Amino acid sequence: GAGVSQSPSNKVTEKGKDVELRCDPISGHTALYWYRQRLGQGLEFLIYFQGNSAPDKSGLPSDRFSAERTGESVSTLTIQRTQQEDSAVYLCASSLDPGPKTGELFFGEGSRLTVL
Amino acid sequence: GQQLNQSPQSMFIQEGEDVSMNCTSSSIFNTWLWYKQDPGEGPVLLIALYKAGELTSNGRLTAQFGTTRKDSFLNISASIPSDVGIYFCAGQSRNFGNEKLTFGTGTRLTIIP
Repeated sequence: GAGVSQSPSNKVTEKGKDVELRCDPISGHTALYWYRQRLGQGLEFLIYFQGNSAPDKSGLPSDRFSAERTGESVSTLTIQRTQQEDSAVYLCASSLDPGPKTGELFFGEGSRLTVL
Repeated sequence: GQQLNQSPQSMFIQEGEDVSMNCTSSSIFNTWLWYKQDPGEGPVLLIALYKAGELTSNGRLTAQFGTTRKDSFLNISASIPSDVGIYFCAGQSRNFGNEKLTFGTGTRLTIIP
């Protein structure tokens, strides 16, 4: 597709279950970001990929959170043993190769996670 | 870590009024950007600034990259209903190998009928 695609768009799960969120970036974009946005809040950085490597994982809240990227394309964010405080919209974004315009991110519509 | 303070948190204005919001950082950024988020969607880039002191316009929007590289402002002239939404500033340090973008806390713009 032409834009960043995320799935599922909505996910309701029970506390303690694992969830996987998927991101398909724009073709050719080597940089990929995950952000978390709680209701009414700003964007909280989680992790950044350059190619398949993650130079910055500093935003992952705990060891229950992990992410991987393969083929310099699809990325999966996994949350294990979900807690109610994990409820949020998880936004994925991608941008072009390293260079002056890498801050020009293109966002998906997000995956809304609700943990009951 | 880097902190971005954005103000005001919210604005209630009448259609046709001008709007001004700003962002300050505790550390230096190489790039400042402004994004807008509509309900249920991801943020969309409005303006990107790459040099200290740079002043850039995009239609009714004008943004500046502060000379200290620690601040930026966004002005919207003659606001219209579609300007409603949440505006985020973002800064990028571009340390070698790490292009992480840090976002401000957002300014929610509401137009009063």
